[in-house]
Amino acid sequence: QVQLQQWGAGLLKPSETLSLTCAVYGGSFSGYYWTWVRQPPGKGLEWIGEINHSGSTNSNPSLKSRVIISVDTSKNHFSLKLISVTAADTAVYYCARVPRNNGNNWFDPWGQGTLVTVSS
Amino acid sequence: QSALTQPASVSGSPGQSITISCTGTSSDVGGYNYVSWYQQHPGKAPKLMIYDVTDRPSGVSDRFSGSKSGNTASLTISGLQAEDEADYYCSSYTSSSTLYVFGTGTKVTVL
Repeated sequence: QVQLQQWGAGLLKPSETLSLTCAVYGGSFSGYYWTWVRQPPGKGLEWIGEINHSGSTNSNPSLKSRVIISVDTSKNHFSLKLISVTAADTAVYYCARVPRNNGNNWFDPWGQGTLVTVSS
Repeated sequence: QSALTQPASVSGSPGQSITISCTGTSSDVGGYNYVSWYQQHPGKAPKLMIYDVTDRPSGVSDRFSGSKSGNTASLTISGLQAEDEADYYCSSYTSSSTLYVFGTGTKVTVL
């Protein structure tokens, strides 16, 4: 049973860099895409971007210039950095797995979520 | 890339059936059989309920079913139960550079 556990700083000031890491336990790391999704308080879900075990990335054009997604295959970890945050980046951030290498396009499982608040 | 359109809220009595719609375009919902549905209880992570329009993951109740017609996908919950009260989101792969788009979300209330 694959489980995702995520962590990172929960309170940032404007212009700082958001940094989150997601660890994958109990399953294969290769053969999947690993993704980040966020949800502003009281609002819907937004896809941020993804990475596979080889380091190939895709990201939402609306965030692309500020997003850095990386992978550490030795630890079965992947990470998200979002540069120069503003209050609009306040959200719960989730990591999730996408079995897209097999032509499948759904998100399962999900990490527990991390609330990131941007405030001066 | 705009979010897929869902009704803000749907309600029903225990035992009834309800249907949630998810409307997109030919670039997403209508163009691919890659629609998935997620259930989210307050303060919890989303949970996959339906994938590839109609398929249910192991462990998900068969009271949940999915379908699609043209640019609109639907999630039906039969035999509504109190535990089904939650927010529901659809998602689709898209040919745009965004890759994935989510729906606006629907709050299901069990009366």
